[in-house]
Amino acid sequence: AQSVTQLDSQVPVFEEAPVELRCNYSSSVSVYLFWYVQYPNQGLQLLLKYLSGSTLVESINGFEAEFNKSQTSFHLRKPSVHISDTAEYFCAVSDAAGGTSYGKLTFGQGTILTVHP
Amino acid sequence: GAVVSQHPSWVICKSGTSVKIECRSLDFQATTMFWYRQFPKQSLMLMATSNEGSKATYEQGVEKDKFLINHASLTLSTLTVTSAHPEDSSFYICSAKQGLRSQYFGPGTRLTVL
Repeated sequence: AQSVTQLDSQVPVFEEAPVELRCNYSSSVSVYLFWYVQYPNQGLQLLLKYLSGSTLVESINGFEAEFNKSQTSFHLRKPSVHISDTAEYFCAVSDAAGGTSYGKLTFGQGTILTVHP
Repeated sequence: GAVVSQHPSWVICKSGTSVKIECRSLDFQATTMFWYRQFPKQSLMLMATSNEGSKATYEQGVEKDKFLINHASLTLSTLTVTSAHPEDSSFYICSAKQGLRSQYFGPGTRLTVL
């Protein structure tokens, strides 16, 4: 079984400030890691993912996340946020080992990022 | 990118009635679709996995006779909440997956049972 913990339910920041959204996971098998974003009244959109290779992954809109296996973390960071980044962010993990559980996502509780002017 | 739609976006029904929610992949064929439920201020919980042409696989604790899932084609999966009760009120979200690629999520359906 896997679990994901997002340590902050809400993160308020000012525009152009840096932000970090924390995510820790537990799993007995190797995993794939994801960050999804949900804007108000919209579905989830994939922000970035770690499957293998470089532990630092980036999105096209300036977010990055680093897979830290020893700390079982996959924190999301952005050096300078914009008003438009206001949304709810979900960290998720899936089983990389294949089998019947392949592709199933286990989500964290979500972190609401609010960017103030 | 790939688009997944859900219909209806919200529905209100009386206790004891059944409600059907549709999930469609609009521009790709989805070999696998997933159904999630999200209660207010809680995370998404996987309910079941459906593969086209076969029976859905339900997660532990999800009543398969209450939440009927049909994946009749590569672009359509339906979730029917049978004999709905107020405790079934929730936000239901589907996702569609093509082969080994990422999951694409629908916008969700808010169900309110009176």
